[in-house]
Amino acid sequence: EAGVAQSPRYKIIEKRQSVAFWCNPISGHATLYWYQQILGQGPKLLIQFQNNGVVDDSQLPKDRFSAERLKGVDSTLKIQPAKLEDSAVYLCASSRGTPSRETQYFGPGTRLLVL
Amino acid sequence: QQQVKQSPQSLIVQKGGISIINCAYENTAFDYFPWYQQFPGKGPALLIAIRPDVSEKKEGRFTISFNKSAKQFSLHIMDSQPGDSATYFCAATGNQFYFGTGTSLTVIP
Repeated sequence: EAGVAQSPRYKIIEKRQSVAFWCNPISGHATLYWYQQILGQGPKLLIQFQNNGVVDDSQLPKDRFSAERLKGVDSTLKIQPAKLEDSAVYLCASSRGTPSRETQYFGPGTRLLVL
Repeated sequence: QQQVKQSPQSLIVQKGGISIINCAYENTAFDYFPWYQQFPGKGPALLIAIRPDVSEKKEGRFTISFNKSAKQFSLHIMDSQPGDSATYFCAATGNQFYFGTGTSLTVIP
């Protein structure tokens, strides 16, 4: 079974530029999560999708971050415009369903550096 | 506000020793408590998890102890090995998913 795929693996941009990350979850997984992991901290949930609908985006900075999951499979996370404090690893995870006890499988992450 | 508090921040253990990582929470609505292991450059991977109606769960060298009344849970790694060197995160979930701040474990040969 293929794991969660993410691209790019690394991205360096200047502040005020835009950036987009892509995630392909494990086949058949209905739920997709985007996390932000700042160096030395635990992952923070940004947004959770169930199929192509948003379940929770309460911690997503909506003035600059947006995410979509068209057709309930792949997802993109966009930052526009980026700030220095957005430097972090952005992790995508997927699970079979929404119950909290479902195991989340994480991708390798995209490391973003904003200069 | 940190929903799950984790300690210590870093831990150094001799090979064969016991590694202990502690977590505490406040929200009694949490109903699932997983532990994740993360190696550099990789995403977190589920290690072991427990429900609040169980006081202990053991899988191989890894054991979770859960104290519902104290709202605390801990991970014990028995016979720690250099390959266990990684960052460990506790987590708690109810309607939302929260990670602890992480513990960097180094096992010295």
